[in-house]
Amino acid sequence: AQSVAQPEDQVNVAEGNPLTVKCTYSVSGNPYLFWYVQYPNRGLQFLLKYITGDNLVKGSYGFEAEFNKSQTSFHLKKPSALVSDSALYFCAVRFSGNTPLVFGKGTRLSVIA
Amino acid sequence: DTGVSQDPRHKITKRGQNVTFRCDPISEHNRLYWYRQTLGQGPEFLTYFQNEAQLEKSRLLSDRFSAERPKGSFSTLEIQRTEQGDSAMYLCASSAREWRYFGAGTRLSVL
Repeated sequence: AQSVAQPEDQVNVAEGNPLTVKCTYSVSGNPYLFWYVQYPNRGLQFLLKYITGDNLVKGSYGFEAEFNKSQTSFHLKKPSALVSDSALYFCAVRFSGNTPLVFGKGTRLSVIA
Repeated sequence: DTGVSQDPRHKITKRGQNVTFRCDPISEHNRLYWYRQTLGQGPEFLTYFQNEAQLEKSRLLSDRFSAERPKGSFSTLEIQRTEQGDSAMYLCASSAREWRYFGAGTRLSVL
């Protein structure tokens, strides 16, 4: 069965520093991987996806993620964090086709000025 | 606003009452999904429609839950005889391609 793990409940970063939010997955076959962000009282917003192709994918708001098949990871990164990046981040995975998305538990990112 | 809209945003009900939520997807999206999110957890899949056909239901969707999408546009999620364990955020999403667009959700509190 497919699953996603976000090992950190909380990540604290100083503004201007690089940030990494970790995600590992377990799925047989080729995964479709996604990152979503959730701000208070808002729905989940799509950030980026990996379907196929380059292992480094770039998304919204300067975020990027690297697909690492050998480590079954898809960590979210940003070179320079902003206070406005503070939010709840979710990694999600599914198979090809239109199988349901499986989400991780989320990681709360706090960027401190 | 051309995003996914959900109504109501908040619902407080007493245990045993029935509640119904509505989701209006992005107009050209033929796929619609319902998820449930509890505190400290990621969204959990409940059910999925392609046009008006309900193609998949999670085991989380007990007999007290029913979802419809009668004309392939908006969808409703009804919970009958609500229980305190039903308290959660109910999220709707729609898609035309690989990624979903989510609404802001309906927060249900069962007292």
